[in-house]
Amino acid sequence: KAGVTQTPRYLIKTRGQQVTLSCSPISGHRSVSWYQQTPGQGLQFLFEYFSETQRNKGNFPGRFSGRQFSNSRSEMNVSTLELGDSALYLCASSLEGSGDYNEQFFGPGTRLTVL
Amino acid sequence: AQSVTQLGSHVSVSEGALVLLRCNYSSSVPPYLFWYVQYPNQGLQLLLKYTTGATLVKGINGFEAEFKKSETSFHLTKPSAHMSDAAEYFCAVSRAAAGNKLTFGGGTRVLVKP
Repeated sequence: KAGVTQTPRYLIKTRGQQVTLSCSPISGHRSVSWYQQTPGQGLQFLFEYFSETQRNKGNFPGRFSGRQFSNSRSEMNVSTLELGDSALYLCASSLEGSGDYNEQFFGPGTRLTVL
Repeated sequence: AQSVTQLGSHVSVSEGALVLLRCNYSSSVPPYLFWYVQYPNQGLQLLLKYTTGATLVKGINGFEAEFKKSETSFHLTKPSAHMSDAAEYFCAVSRAAAGNKLTFGGGTRVLVKP
C-alpha cells in the first residue's frame, strides 16, 4: 500500500505570495492532519480534517487554511507569505479522526522557503 | 493544555552503548504517548506508542519506553546503539478527545560515535 504523498517536495516563494501544498493520504484513510516544523518552534499542529470537515485547529493565523476533498486528499494554503513561514510542512493520515487511538502515518513533507 | 519536555536537544553516544532519551509530559487526562524518529529529509516514523495497558512498550529497531504516571515520564531506551540510530527523536502526547492532534516535544538529535 502506498504511503502518504506530498507535493511538491520543495518550493521557493517570495514574500507576499501565496502557496498551496497537497497531501494524498494512504488509501482508505479519512483523517488528514497538517504540521509545521521549524528550527525555532519545532513541530506544531496546524489543523486536522476528517470527512471534508475541519475537526481541530492549532494556533496559527488565518493566513493558514486548508480543505479536504471527497477522496480524502487535502490541501493547505498559506496566503501573504512571510519569511517566518519557511518550514517543513508535514501531512499525516489515519483511518479515523476521533475516539480511540488511530495511528498516524506521516508523509515526507514539503520544504517551503520564503525569500 | 498538554505539553511535552525533552531533556537535552543533543545526545552523543558510542556505538554499542545505551541510548536514553528523556521525555516528561503534562496532561490533565490520561494521555496517549508516542516516540517518533525523523531521518534527514524525511517525515516522521512511529517508533512506539502507549495508549492503555502494559506500561513497558516495545517498538521497532530495539527501542522500548516505560510509561511512569507518578513521574509523568515516558523515557525511550535502547540497550545498544547502532550507527543507523543517528537521527532526531520526538516525544509526543495526545488524548482521546483531541482527535489526532499531537503535541510534540522539542526533539533530541542523537549522534552515534564509532
